[in-house]
Amino acid sequence: AQSVTQPDIHITVSEGASLELRCNYSYGATPYLFWYVQSPGQGLQLLLKYFSGDTLVQGIKGFEAEFKRSQSSFNLRKPSVHWSDAAEYFCAVSGTSGTYKYIFGTGTRLKVLA
Amino acid sequence: GAVVSQHPSWVICKSGTSVKIECRSLDFQATTMFWYRQFPKQSLMLMATSNEGSKATYEQGVEKDKFLINHASLTLSTLTVTSAHPEDSSFYICSAGQGLNTEAFFGQGTRLTVV
Repeated sequence: AQSVTQPDIHITVSEGASLELRCNYSYGATPYLFWYVQSPGQGLQLLLKYFSGDTLVQGIKGFEAEFKRSQSSFNLRKPSVHWSDAAEYFCAVSGTSGTYKYIFGTGTRLKVLA
Repeated sequence: GAVVSQHPSWVICKSGTSVKIECRSLDFQATTMFWYRQFPKQSLMLMATSNEGSKATYEQGVEKDKFLINHASLTLSTLTVTSAHPEDSSFYICSAGQGLNTEAFFGQGTRLTVV
């Protein structure tokens, strides 16, 4: 079955500390991979995406993610977290080439301590 | 990038009434649109795939008679929650895509509260 797993429901880090959010997927083939951020009561904002090529992708707000095919993972990282990064983060996958149906992970809620 | 717009952003309705949510692709045509539902503090779950000019495809467990989807044009899909009940209160979000090797574009979402 196709699925996306985000093992950490909640993560708390201090401002300025590094961050890594985990994402593992189960899919028939290598899918397109995404990370979204959602602030309370708001819609989704795309942080970054992986379609093909370089397995380390850079996104907005200083985020990056690394695709590891052997581990079926697409972990999100940021070297120094800011208080404004507190939000819910969703990993998602879709099929390739114009397939826009997404499967979302359960989400990781990030809390940032001042 | 392409823009998908939802309306309304929030709506409160009485139990037993119906409410319609619109999803528009503003600068591109979308033969397929998707509707997701997000309960508080939960993830987004795909409800249905809206197909222009044909019937929607519903995910398992989603009541098609309760969540009516109409995709009458290439830029508009509507989701009507019929006979709404408090348990239908949720955040509904639509998406659509265009071309190859691009991500889907999401609407701003609609927060439905049934009282």
